[in-house]
Amino acid sequence: KAGVTQTPRYLIKTRGQQVTLSCSPISGHRSVSWYQQTPGQGLQFLFEYFSETQRNKGNFPGRFSGRQFSNSRSEMNVSTLELGDSALYLCASSPVVSSTDTQYFGPGTRLTVL
Amino acid sequence: DAKTTQPPSMDCAEGRAANLPCNHSTISGNEYVYWYRQIHSQGPQYIIHGLKNNETNEMASLIITEDRKSSTLILPHATLRDTAVYYCIVSSGGSNYKLTFGKGTLLTVNP
Repeated sequence: KAGVTQTPRYLIKTRGQQVTLSCSPISGHRSVSWYQQTPGQGLQFLFEYFSETQRNKGNFPGRFSGRQFSNSRSEMNVSTLELGDSALYLCASSPVVSSTDTQYFGPGTRLTVL
Repeated sequence: DAKTTQPPSMDCAEGRAANLPCNHSTISGNEYVYWYRQIHSQGPQYIIHGLKNNETNEMASLIITEDRKSSTLILPHATLRDTAVYYCIVSSGGSNYKLTFGKGTLLTVNP
């Protein structure tokens, strides 16, 4: 099975712009979670989607949003980019079969905000 | 905040066993212990998880103390490719989709 794929892998934006990142989960996986990783804050949970609905949300401002499509693919959007949004954005998928589902992470999208 | 405490760094000689400790003194009865690792700039990789019994898979072994307040991840024969940050996470069913990562342990395997 193909793993979790994320596009693009690298992105450079300027302050004030918006960006959309894409994640394709492993085939058959229905949950998609997003994380932000920075040197200062580490890995932080952004939000999680299941059946096109946001089930969980981390402590991030409303500039960060996401959605999930009927084929489980997910996108996240960051509006009005700030320098502090420079980070590695990771997507993870889970099958949603048991209470001990593990997450399978993609390679991430490296976002640089100038 | 993460509910686990791990040493910031450890060294291990190639071919030797790497034993990575984790304290989770406030773990609840329904919470599992999960281990993930992250090789530089890649996405985290699941290693193993357990509730109260020791677990083993092709990658590692997980030893959980009887009181469940701490655990040890064992890589039986560490290789240079095992150099990574190792995260110990406690999570209950239903929370596995919003993992709380701490700072982890940077394991450096030396030749």
